[in-house]
Amino acid sequence: QQQVKQSPQSLIVQKGGISIINCAYENTAFDYFPWYQQFPGKGPALLIAIRPDVSEKKEGRFTISFNKSAKQFSLHIMDSQPGDSATYFCAASMRGSNYKLTFGKGTLLTVNP
Amino acid sequence: SAVISQKPSRDICQRGTSLTIQCQVDSQVTMMFWYRQQPGQSLTLIATANQGSEATYESGFVIDKFPISRPNLTFSTLTVSNMSPEDSSIYLCSTRRDSMNTEAFFGQGTRLTVV
Repeated sequence: QQQVKQSPQSLIVQKGGISIINCAYENTAFDYFPWYQQFPGKGPALLIAIRPDVSEKKEGRFTISFNKSAKQFSLHIMDSQPGDSATYFCAASMRGSNYKLTFGKGTLLTVNP
Repeated sequence: SAVISQKPSRDICQRGTSLTIQCQVDSQVTMMFWYRQQPGQSLTLIATANQGSEATYESGFVIDKFPISRPNLTFSTLTVSNMSPEDSSIYLCSTRRDSMNTEAFFGQGTRLTVV
């Protein structure tokens, strides 16, 4: 049973455009929702994270929107750049499981120049 | 951030053999995690390795297939035993600074191909 569903599987955006990746979760006990960015040949690196007590968190061009009632959260990349081309994973975890991460299946983002 | 060195970075192995992957962290950490990332797929947690105790394996993973060592607070190994082509994946180690810190850090991964 997949606890975190991520879409789309792949995304192509023009430079300067907005990239939007969506995730939905099932377990209401999750209380930490990070996004990881992975470049080819590298391990994932934390990009931005949110807790369910806020509806939005912004760091530079990256914003997480969180809808607790719908059990959904999304990553918005504003002014997308070719250097943003990578695979993005959403994840969820909870204190009760010692913050063990459950990952979505990933989105391959390509930003065309 | 935590710096994690993982080796080998890649290997091609014959079926039926075993490969041990090493993970070194630049500071002492309580928990280390081992993940598998199959081609084009997500990360699946294999096990959690705490120093001084047996590793805790996730559903679908067993110690006989993926034995783990954690001899000290900066080092861990994962062995992939009796390999088959289905074991071809990227294996990643991960850690957090401490139990209260939610941010996870990852090594660069070991790309394993079994022929």
